[in-house]
Amino acid sequence: QKEVEQDPGPLSVPEGAIVSLNCTYSNSAFQYFMWYRQYSRKGPELLMYTYSSGNKEDGRFTAQVDKSSKYISLFIRDSQPSDSATYLCAMSPRRQGGSEKLVFGKGTKLTVNP
Amino acid sequence: DGGITQSPKYLFRKEGQNVTLSCEQNLNHDAMYWYRQDPGQGLRLIYYSQIVNDFQKGDIAEGYSVSREKKESFPLTVTSAQKNPTAFYLCATRPGTGRYEQYFGPGTRLTVT
Repeated sequence: QKEVEQDPGPLSVPEGAIVSLNCTYSNSAFQYFMWYRQYSRKGPELLMYTYSSGNKEDGRFTAQVDKSSKYISLFIRDSQPSDSATYLCAMSPRRQGGSEKLVFGKGTKLTVNP
Repeated sequence: DGGITQSPKYLFRKEGQNVTLSCEQNLNHDAMYWYRQDPGQGLRLIYYSQIVNDFQKGDIAEGYSVSREKKESFPLTVTSAQKNPTAFYLCATRPGTGRYEQYFGPGTRLTVT
């Protein structure tokens, strides 16, 4: 079983739709969760960063973590064509002065159609 | 203007040649990372460095080498021993101990023929 699973899509939605992107994970030690957005041929951009369980909102984006189910989600409200990109989830356990490395999902490709 | 720069954006080399990819940051971040991205494979960690003059192998270090002589710089050399060097290479930084998020540069697309 892979540490982090992410449906690669592709996911295609009409403009204005609510988008739900998800990752599941197997390592119960993960405590820090991130979502990155990557446009074609560009570097990933950090979108959301959450710690432990709960919700975090930033504009049209909401990140949700459910540690009991080992499941994280990114919701995009009122999706726009400019949201068309690949979305990567990433996570890390807490480390004490050790090597902080991220485990990434493989990404979900999203297209928002005008 | 703070950020991470990678140069060049596109790089072409003949098989058998070593090539060095540049990564520079002025964010004063402690840790730096190199990833390789191939279609359908996600991000794979090549090398990382937490402090100057120290670095560790990642998951796919074979055929690559790095140095960290300055905090701001973490160049990656792709050697002729790397069997499939054509890929998109990404450099990332992390602020320091207790911070887990990473920030990425714009990437270098390496094509070896």
